[in-house]
Amino acid sequence: DQQVKQNSPSLSVQEGRISILNCDYTNSMFDYFLWYKKYPAEGPTFLISISSIKDKNEDGRFTVFLNKSAKHLSLHIVPSQPGDSAVYFCAARSNFGNEKLTFGTGTRLTIIP
Amino acid sequence: DAGVIQSPRHEVTEMGQEVTLRCKPISGHNSLFWYRQTMMRGLELLIYFNNNVPIDDSGMPEDRFSAKMPNASFSTLKIQPSEPRDSAVYFCASGRVGEGEQFFGPGTRLTVL
Repeated sequence: DQQVKQNSPSLSVQEGRISILNCDYTNSMFDYFLWYKKYPAEGPTFLISISSIKDKNEDGRFTVFLNKSAKHLSLHIVPSQPGDSAVYFCAARSNFGNEKLTFGTGTRLTIIP
Repeated sequence: DAGVIQSPRHEVTEMGQEVTLRCKPISGHNSLFWYRQTMMRGLELLIYFNNNVPIDDSGMPEDRFSAKMPNASFSTLKIQPSEPRDSAVYFCASGRVGEGEQFFGPGTRLTVL
């Protein structure tokens, strides 16, 4: 049972345009959400997070939006740069005081120069 | 500051051999996580520790897998005996209890022949 889903395995975006990566979840107990970026042969790198009490969090070129009623979150990157080409994972944590993160399967983002 | 350190980066072994993966978390972090990444199952949590105590080992696939954290700066994941299906990239991550974010090491790529 995949509780965190990233339905798009890949996405290609022109440099300078907006990249939008999507993530859906099924567990209503999730209260904290994170996005990670992963380059080949490296570990995932934390990008940005959002608590369930917010609907938006922004950090430079990265913005995460959370729609709790739809159980959906998205990561916006604007403007997209070649260095943003990587695999992006969303992750979620339950509010039971558990530190455990559940990860999606990832979306490979390719920025076209 | 040094990030999470894992060793070895690559390990090739034969079926039936014992394999030990090592992790040094970021100084000051008090939670530690072991993940496994495969094409079929994605990134899955094996076990995590808070303050050196194992909290959730429900992701450990079977008794052949064991993990220890003898002190705040060192953890091991052992597979004995190893099998070809254990071939994967194993990540260690650390964080602070309650803060949500986890910081990943570069991973150990394990190949069991």
